[in-house]
Amino acid sequence: EIVLTQSPGTLSLSPGERATLSCRASQSVSGTYLAWYQQKPGQAPRLLIYGASSRATGIPDRFSGSGSGTDFTLTISRLEPEDFGVYYCQQYGSSPWTFGQGTKVEIK
Amino acid sequence: EVHLVESGGGLVQPGGSLRLSCAASGFTFSSFNMNWVRQAPGKGLEWVSYITSSSSTIYYADSVKGRFTISRDNAQNSLYLQMNSLRVEDTAVYYCAADPGWFDPWGQGTLVTVSS
Repeated sequence: EIVLTQSPGTLSLSPGERATLSCRASQSVSGTYLAWYQQKPGQAPRLLIYGASSRATGIPDRFSGSGSGTDFTLTISRLEPEDFGVYYCQQYGSSPWTFGQGTKVEIK
Repeated sequence: EVHLVESGGGLVQPGGSLRLSCAASGFTFSSFNMNWVRQAPGKGLEWVSYITSSSSTIYYADSVKGRFTISRDNAQNSLYLQMNSLRVEDTAVYYCAADPGWFDPWGQGTLVTVSS
């Protein structure tokens, strides 16, 4: 099983600031099969990024993903008020599919 | 519009059973692999089970193997999760999610509470 470790656990930032979220895998993620999701309280997760760097339909270009192998990054270039929530990475390259424990992005 | 709607959650005693359903609309359900994912209160996301479009391949998380059964009815555009021998630690919101590789879209979830 591939274990995904996200850091930091919580990111306290102000609107307009840049957010950098990390996701590290215990072994190489095949085919860059890594996705990022955003979840707000009481809502289902929403897909942001798939294939490590491809934005999902309707996702603003301030969101970008990068990385390969065992190290992946989600960057939000300039935080908007609606970007606050919990972000999860997920690998879908090998069963069992696994999620990171999440990074909470909160208003400073 | 693409839509997934879960139902069937509720309160059940330890050792009991529940059957969750996920109704799909707005896309060609029979062409997509599907998943169940759960989230315990205040916790992160946990993948539960996967089924291919033709039901030919099925996977389960170790935590539910032997107790849960995933199935689908492509004629009814529906996905199911039969949950037996439920435990307190199965308490969670259960989401269905389409699988074009990654998980998208997701339903709104249905809450399963296992308690005496």
